Amino acid sequence: RKEVEQDPGPFNVPEGATVAFNCTYSNSASQSFFWYRQDCRKEPKLLMSVYSSGNEDGRFTAQLNRASQYISLLIRDSKLSDSATYLCVVNTLYDMRFGAGTRLTVKP
Amino acid sequence: GAVVSQHPSWVICKSGTSVKIECRSLDFQATTMFWYRQFPKQSLMLMATSNEGSKATYEQGVEKDKFLINHASLTLSTLTVTSAHPEDSSFYICSARDLTGRGGDEQFFGPGTRLTVL
Repeated sequence: RKEVEQDPGPFNVPEGATVAFNCTYSNSASQSFFWYRQDCRKEPKLLMSVYSSGNEDGRFTAQLNRASQYISLLIRDSKLSDSATYLCVVNTLYDMRFGAGTRLTVKP
Repeated sequence: GAVVSQHPSWVICKSGTSVKIECRSLDFQATTMFWYRQFPKQSLMLMATSNEGSKATYEQGVEKDKFLINHASLTLSTLTVTSAHPEDSSFYICSARDLTGRGGDEQFFGPGTRLTVL
C-alpha cells in the first residue's frame, strides 16, 4: 500500500462546477499536510496548508480527518485556470510524501 | 514565500557525460533539501533526502553512485547525474525545508531542471 494515495482522476468538469479531491495517508505519525498545485512542466506550488480545524481560502476549502487519516480539497465555482494537477503532501518530522496527483481539467 | 533557485534550468548532454544541478535556498537556511524526478505525465518521485553536513538518504531503487548528492552548506545542495543515459532524461526538481524558521515545515520548490540526454 502506498503511503499517500489520491483519487486517480482525471477529473473533467465544466466551469462553475464544484469538485472534491481526497487523499489518504497511512502513517499515523504524520504531522503536517499540504495541497500543492502543479501546472504542466512547472514545479509544484503551495496551494494551501491543511489544518485540523479545516481552512478556507476563497473558493478552496481543505479539511483534515486525523481519525480516518485523510485530507480533502474542495474547489467551488471552478475556473478554467484551475486546470492543473493537485498533489497532496504529508509530512512527518523527518520525512515527506507526495500523492501521485490528481489531474483536473475545467472545460468551458 | 521563500525562494529556491535551480541551475541550470535546461541542459542537453551527450550520453556518458555527467551533469551537475545546483539547488540554492536564497533567503533562508535549508536544513533539509529534497531531490525529485518527474517523467512526463507522471507524479513527482522522491529520489533522496539531503541533510546539511551528512550523507543523503536515498529512496529504494535510486542508485546513490549514479546520483551523487552533496549538501555542503545550509543554502546549497547539488545533484550530479553521473554517466547520464537517455533514460535519465527527466525533469529534476529540488525542494528545501526550513524547520528552524518561517514557513514551518512547508517545502519550497525550485523551478526545476529539464535534462535531456542524447
